[in-house]
Amino acid sequence: NAGVMQNPRHLVRRRGQEARLRCSPMKGHSHVYWYRQLPEEGLKFMVYLQKENIIDESGMPKERFSAEFPKEGPSILRIQQVVRGDSAAYFCASSPPVFGARRYEQYFGPGTRLTVT
Amino acid sequence: GQSLEQPSEVTAVEGAIVQINCTYQTSGFYGLSWYQQHDGGAPTFLSYNALDGLEETGRFSSFLSRSDSYGYLLLQELQMKDSASYFCAVRSSGGGADGLTFGKGTHLIIQP
Repeated sequence: NAGVMQNPRHLVRRRGQEARLRCSPMKGHSHVYWYRQLPEEGLKFMVYLQKENIIDESGMPKERFSAEFPKEGPSILRIQQVVRGDSAAYFCASSPPVFGARRYEQYFGPGTRLTVT
Repeated sequence: GQSLEQPSEVTAVEGAIVQINCTYQTSGFYGLSWYQQHDGGAPTFLSYNALDGLEETGRFSSFLSRSDSYGYLLLQELQMKDSASYFCAVRSSGGGADGLTFGKGTHLIIQP
């Protein structure tokens, strides 16, 4: 059973360009979360999505950042007009559609390391 | 808001036992999770405590005291491969959100 997949693993963008990060959740998982991690820091929650719905985007910057999880295909985190401060590791996680404690087990992908030059 | 406090670094000897503490401040507490992350790797789920007490999974155990807003992760029979960062996390506030708020992590150094 494949785990959470993210691509690309490394992405270099110049200031002002757009970055698109993709995430395919584990098979059978319908909940997707995006997190950002700066060096020597914990992960910061950005957005929580289910298929075709944004459930909670309270951690998402108000401008330049958007996320989607279409009916078909991977979840996409899009950063427009990137700036140097966007350089970070972006992790996607998924969890199964069950109730109880297992719902809080989040399975993380390998991350996308974004470097803005 | 949410905040979690954990030591930035802990050093222990191979074969020993180590405890990593976590205190938290949060509204609407749902449970405390622990994750392991090796350098350059993805966080890996270790445990989840919703109720007071100790949960044991092999060499790792996790404890929660809701009245003290405190938990810890206990690692026994330490192995060199346990060298990693360990994060405690709580579910984010309000609105049914399931996103996690993480502490800054504890870097565990294992010495031979």
